[in-house]
Amino acid sequence: DTAVSQTPKYLVTQMGNDKSIKCEQNLGHDTMYWYKQDSKKFLKIMFSYNNKELIINETVPNRFSPKSPDKAHLNLHINSLELGDSAVYFCASSPGPTGYTFGSGTRLTVV
Amino acid sequence: AQSVAQPEDQVNVAEGNPLTVKCTYSVSGNPYLFWYVQYPNRGLQFLLKYITGDNLVKGSYGFEAEFNKSQTSFHLKKPSALVSDSALYFCAVRDKNKLIFGQGTTLQVKP
Repeated sequence: DTAVSQTPKYLVTQMGNDKSIKCEQNLGHDTMYWYKQDSKKFLKIMFSYNNKELIINETVPNRFSPKSPDKAHLNLHINSLELGDSAVYFCASSPGPTGYTFGSGTRLTVV
Repeated sequence: AQSVAQPEDQVNVAEGNPLTVKCTYSVSGNPYLFWYVQYPNRGLQFLLKYITGDNLVKGSYGFEAEFNKSQTSFHLKKPSALVSDSALYFCAVRDKNKLIFGQGTTLQVKP
């Protein structure tokens, strides 16, 4: 069983479209995250939810909107996609400060 | 704010030789430090962590890291490198409810 699973694995879309990436964890963790890895492989936090409540919202354009229907799911919706949104997006979860489990990533390519 | 730095973009080592991937940190208080590895087109895999206790931490795949408070370092080591260890390695520090990553170090192990 995959602990943190993301879908889709690859996403190619045109500029201006709206797309969603889904994340599910079966670890029973309370906290979930979205990270973005840019073309230089740099990893940066975007959002974090704890038990469906938003606790971290870094400087991210309003076009990005996370949604957590329950504590096992954290989805990322992106409106009006731009070329600069092309990146790998990682979902992660943690039970607390001492452990973080990452998904395998979603490679988003905006053309 | 907490931060980590990985001073080397790339480390090259011959198979069978010992390897070291460097990480230094800047934190207020006691650091929670982590190492992750990313294989090509794969997610982030946890290697090891330092929370408290013994300064020498042993992790997955034969890796270990030494927490050095006086030098504010947390270098990743392995006594004998394998070609299959070639990957991108990230050091990270916990900052409040999230991980802050270093810029990553590419490890190339040559046969």
